[in-house]
Amino acid sequence: EVLLVESGGGLVKPGGSLRLSCAASGFSFSSYTMTWVRQAPGKGLEWVSSINSISRLIHDADSVKGRFTISRDNAKKSLFLQMNSLRADDTAVYYCATYTSMGSLEYWGQGTLVTVSS
Amino acid sequence: DIQMTQSPSSVSASAGDRVTITCRASQGISNWLAWYQQKTGKAPKLLIHAASNLQSGVPSRFSGSGSGTDFTLTISSLEPEDFATYYCQQTHSFPLTFGGGTKVEIK
Repeated sequence: EVLLVESGGGLVKPGGSLRLSCAASGFSFSSYTMTWVRQAPGKGLEWVSSINSISRLIHDADSVKGRFTISRDNAKKSLFLQMNSLRADDTAVYYCATYTSMGSLEYWGQGTLVTVSS
Repeated sequence: DIQMTQSPSSVSASAGDRVTITCRASQGISNWLAWYQQKTGKAPKLLIHAASNLQSGVPSRFSGSGSGTDFTLTISSLEPEDFATYYCQQTHSFPLTFGGGTKVEIK
């Protein structure tokens, strides 16, 4: 069974930092491009960042470029999102997901809530 | 960036009804489109990939069609468990972009 479990969310002050993790199991993690998607409270889905299987190709949304860094550790089957200079509009549930060859997001974690507030 | 416009933003329907949701891309994306279902408090679930390919395990009452800029998700006969929000997503190029969502509500 494919399982993605996010962790690391919480309450942080504006300007602060947070590191999200996504632990993967049940599939060949090292073969997959992985993606972070977020959803602000009551709002729609927003793609955040993607990283290919060997960390050579990284794409970031303009809204997080220069502030967020995606990375992965294939040996530990883990995906990360380092979030710096956090702003109130970064408040959202953050999901990790697998990215297929057709670009669709097949498997999703349950999400972790990040709240940026003073 | 490719903009995705979904309509309607909400629809009220009864169990057994046929529901159609449309998604328009701001430029041609061939068949690089996916559809997701999201229930309240849950992660999205992939329903359709490559515009018309049903994801494994998804009931056959769901279908997708379209190519280029105009796409459709159809639920042929609504079941109680289908009341949810549906999103389209272009998978043609980065940045990946989603439609604004369509909430299917009980009439």
